[in-house]
Amino acid sequence: DVKVTQSSRYLVKRTGEKVFLECVQDMDHENMFWYRQDPGLGLRLIYFSYDVKMKEKGDIPEGYSVSREKKERFSLILESASTNQTSMYLCASRPGGANTEAFFGQGTRLTVV
Amino acid sequence: DQQVKQNSPSLSVQEGRISILNCDYTNSMFDYFLWYKKYPAEGPTFLISISSIKDKNEDGRFTVFLNKSAKHLSLHIVPSQPGDSAVYFCAASAWTGNQFYFGTGTSLTVIP
Repeated sequence: DVKVTQSSRYLVKRTGEKVFLECVQDMDHENMFWYRQDPGLGLRLIYFSYDVKMKEKGDIPEGYSVSREKKERFSLILESASTNQTSMYLCASRPGGANTEAFFGQGTRLTVV
Repeated sequence: DQQVKQNSPSLSVQEGRISILNCDYTNSMFDYFLWYKKYPAEGPTFLISISSIKDKNEDGRFTVFLNKSAKHLSLHIVPSQPGDSAVYFCAASAWTGNQFYFGTGTSLTVIP
């Protein structure tokens, strides 16, 4: 079974802190993604990576950066956390090639106070 | 601009009846469509998919229908069970890209 593991289920951080969300997948997938889920807005793509050290902006990259130094690990960084970044963050991975599904981690509920 | 739309935020159905969840898309480059199910405080789990060369795909109680000319897909759940109560997201991707585009979700409640 594919496993996508996010480092924390729940996090509480203070405004202005630098926040790291870690994600690891164990199936050698080329593609990894970070989404945030907010009520009424669905899943919105923040960043994705199709290879080590490669990254592309999604729909809402402002205030975020990412790092992919190893194929299995994709990190989301909130440079200076703000209250409007309080959300559910979801990591996903997907094999390369057409017609493949993405596998999600369990999510990280981040609260910025 | 939302390329994948789920216009019904919620749906309630009696146990044993059919649940029909709808999804519309605008990008004609989309050729692969998926449905995900999500429980609160968990990540989405893959349910069923369909490629654009088909118009129907079945997996047990779940069937997805694709109408390319209308740019519309639907998920049918028959019979509906209380454990099906969750938020359902449709998603689409194009062969030219790696990312999925998600709808805003429909919250299904199956009433015992």
